[in-house]
Amino acid sequence: AQTVTQSQPEMSVQEAETVTLSCTYDTSESNYYLFWYKQPPSRQMILVIRQEAYKQQNATENRFSVNFQKAAKSFSLKISDSQLGDTAMYFCAFMSGTYKYIFGTGTRLKVLA
Amino acid sequence: DSGVTQTPKHLITATGQRVTLRCSPRSGDLSVYWYQQSLDQGLQFLIQYYNGEERAKGNILERFSAQQFPDLHSELNLSSLELGDSALYFCASSVATEGRSNSPLHFGNGTRLTVT
Repeated sequence: AQTVTQSQPEMSVQEAETVTLSCTYDTSESNYYLFWYKQPPSRQMILVIRQEAYKQQNATENRFSVNFQKAAKSFSLKISDSQLGDTAMYFCAFMSGTYKYIFGTGTRLKVLA
Repeated sequence: DSGVTQTPKHLITATGQRVTLRCSPRSGDLSVYWYQQSLDQGLQFLIQYYNGEERAKGNILERFSAQQFPDLHSELNLSSLELGDSALYFCASSVATEGRSNSPLHFGNGTRLTVT
């Protein structure tokens, strides 16, 4: 069975600095997709970034980028120039051809002024 | 705005009661997913429907049931409610069919259920 592990329950970062959130997963499939979602205090779930496993190039969305290491089954999220509005819970998610999206337990990020 | 609509936003009810949560997916999305999020916890997958048919089941209690209607809206029914059922219930939709696309989940704003 696929699993997603986020080993950092909580992290903090100073405003304008860079932080990396880690995510590892386990699967025997070769074709799958990975996502990072953000859940701010409003509790909405917001898609941050996505990565296709067959693409070697790491995805980037403005200040958000990923470091995708397929062999290591690692999918970390880097947030550059952290802003107060980045304070949120971040969830890593895995999706394969079996329809199910599997979420990690989340990392609570606090950006400090 | 994700385009996914969930009603009601808040629901307060007593133990032993039954409630129905409603979800309208984004226009064009055929898959609907239900998740439960207890306070400060992760997302627990409950069930998924695709074009009216159940496609995947997670940790859904027997007291819970769901369905997707021909107009693609979905309802999650929770019965014999217990205090531990208090949680935020999310509906999400996706265009994904056989999982061959990178279509992400688009989440509604959730229904916050409080059982007293």
